[in-house]
Amino acid sequence: AQSVSQHNHHVILSEAASLELGCNYSYGGTVNLFWYVQYPGQHLQLLLKYFSGDPLVKGIKGFEAEFIKSKFSFNLRKPSVQWSDTAEYFCAVNAGNNDMRFGAGTRLTVKP
Amino acid sequence: SQTIHQWPATLVQPVGSPLSLECTVEGTSNPNLYWYRQAAGRGLQLLFYSVGIGQISSEVPQNLSASRPQDRQFILSSKKLLLSDSGFYLCAWSGIGVTEAFFGQGTRLTVV
Repeated sequence: AQSVSQHNHHVILSEAASLELGCNYSYGGTVNLFWYVQYPGQHLQLLLKYFSGDPLVKGIKGFEAEFIKSKFSFNLRKPSVQWSDTAEYFCAVNAGNNDMRFGAGTRLTVKP
Repeated sequence: SQTIHQWPATLVQPVGSPLSLECTVEGTSNPNLYWYRQAAGRGLQLLFYSVGIGQISSEVPQNLSASRPQDRQFILSSKKLLLSDSGFYLCAWSGIGVTEAFFGQGTRLTVV
């Protein structure tokens, strides 16, 4: 089965700093890739997704992610974070076999 | 539109007691259904997934079981709870052609 690794457990940034959260997966075939966000006290919601086509995908709230097939990576980026981006971020992989795997999550704290 | 209901929201159970958490989906047919457990720093651990009535795939050996008695109903059970079963349990669904997962609000289970 596929697995997902998120290397940063807790990231602390100041407002306006740039963000990049790493995500790597282990699966050799075609994958669908996702980033989910969980704001404090709220349920998980989809931030962005990649199925095919342009490997640079844009999501809500100014987030984007780049799929690099050769590196098995799907890193999340945002040029300038805001205090309201404080949340936990999960990378997920679906290899098309109805088996949605999530990473351990990265907690982002943005200081005002 | 599709909605997912998960209950109860919180539950406190004594060690050795049985467990039944219920999840239902509305507005879609033949969904893929998932049970996850979320633990701090460990992300979302896939416990069970189901692609149809009576079809359950178990990801990790544990004290829990799952059943799908109806197309849009997914139940997480245990005959005898352990302290280590405490955690936050999430139900999710995804549909054919829609591979992202949609999550319920979760159940906070505390075994005492």
